[in-house]
Amino acid sequence: DTAVSQTPKYLVTQMGNDKSIKCEQNLGHDTMYWYKQDSKKFLKIMFSYNNKELIINETVPNRFSPKSPDKAHLNLHINSLELGDSAVYFCASSQMPSYEQYFGPGTRLTVT
Amino acid sequence: DAKTTQPNSMESNEEEPVHLPCNHSTISGTDYIHWYRQLPSQGPEYVIHGLTSNVNNRMASLAIAEDRKSSTLILHRATLRDAAVYYCIPRISGNTGKLIFGQGTTLQVKP
Repeated sequence: DTAVSQTPKYLVTQMGNDKSIKCEQNLGHDTMYWYKQDSKKFLKIMFSYNNKELIINETVPNRFSPKSPDKAHLNLHINSLELGDSAVYFCASSQMPSYEQYFGPGTRLTVT
Repeated sequence: DAKTTQPNSMESNEEEPVHLPCNHSTISGTDYIHWYRQLPSQGPEYVIHGLTSNVNNRMASLAIAEDRKSSTLILHRATLRDAAVYYCIPRISGNTGKLIFGQGTTLQVKP
């Protein structure tokens, strides 16, 4: 059973397009996160939702918008994609914000 | 945010113990020390965490210095599957859940 799943695993698209990455967790956790890992392997948090409420919103361009339809899902929508958005995006979840986080397998986004 | 210092890379032989050090001299008194690891082409994976006392679980042991300015992750018998980047993360107190990843230590395990 996959605890935290992401779709798609790979996403190749052109500059200026709009795309979404979906994340689902079946762990019954209340908190979900999005992280970005750039080409230098640097991992940085982007957003976090707790019980569908945004609790972390790092300095991320407005083109990135998270959406949490329910506690088990946290999707990431990106408008007007740029070359610099190319990265691996990881979704994670935890029972509560202070508890250990479980990460998904990642979505590799390539913008050409 | 507490800063951490870890060696860029370490090597170990298979089935030998590995001690991965981390300095976190600016850690606050209420911050837990968390360790995560990232295997190649996978998402990060929780390893262990502690506050003041040494901690053990099925994956590893965590030894925390008495002054809490450093800690050491101990893998008792390294396997090839333990080759990964290991991150030491002082956990900011509060309820945000924010994990700040540094550069970590890349562990190579030789057969």
